[in-house]
Amino acid sequence: SQQGEEDPQALSIQEGENATMNCSYKTSINNLQWYRQNSGRGLVHLILIRSNEREKHSGRLRVTLDTSKKSSSLLITASRAADTASYFCATHYIISGSRLTFGEGTQLTVNP
Amino acid sequence: EAQVTQNPRYLITVTGKKLTVTCSQNMNHEYMSWYRQDPGLGLRQIYYSMNVEVTDKGDVPEGYKVSRKEKRNFPLILESPSPNQTSLYFCASSAPGLERYEQYFGPGTRLTVT
Repeated sequence: SQQGEEDPQALSIQEGENATMNCSYKTSINNLQWYRQNSGRGLVHLILIRSNEREKHSGRLRVTLDTSKKSSSLLITASRAADTASYFCATHYIISGSRLTFGEGTQLTVNP
Repeated sequence: EAQVTQNPRYLITVTGKKLTVTCSQNMNHEYMSWYRQDPGLGLRQIYYSMNVEVTDKGDVPEGYKVSRKEKRNFPLILESPSPNQTSLYFCASSAPGLERYEQYFGPGTRLTVT
């Protein structure tokens, strides 16, 4: 399977702390995306980083990409209780056309 | 409002009774896809469509059919549902031709097959 792997599977932090989630993948990518899912709901796109980019920011989100290690990380700074959700990385592999391959997700709990 | 809609949102059915889950998007996206989400297995792609009349199998297509007769609609058909198709289903769309690779997801359909 070319499915990405996310680490950790679950993360529990206090409000105000930073949360870091990691994603590893297997083959060359066009881009890597991060999505958020509130319990039982549809996924919402957060940020996309292209294979020729190393870092990207969007508000309190920071994404890094290391193509040599085939890994990415998502950092959420100054977390809030409303950030509690599952976070998925999705890889757009070069060989897969327009398809995305999703990881199994990291469940983030931010305690007030 | 740009959105992907799915119907029904919840469905309980019995083994073997054919059903269709509809999916519609209003963003004129070429690409549409169906996923199922199961605990511990993440999202797995069932079928996808690059454009009208163009469909292809994803990772777990067995037991499912799709059609793409119009750009906005991409129904998922279960001809003879079985209990192992009990799952949470998501439809998604995107516009890869515009290099807008991010996918927009519907709200999900929770299917229970008894």
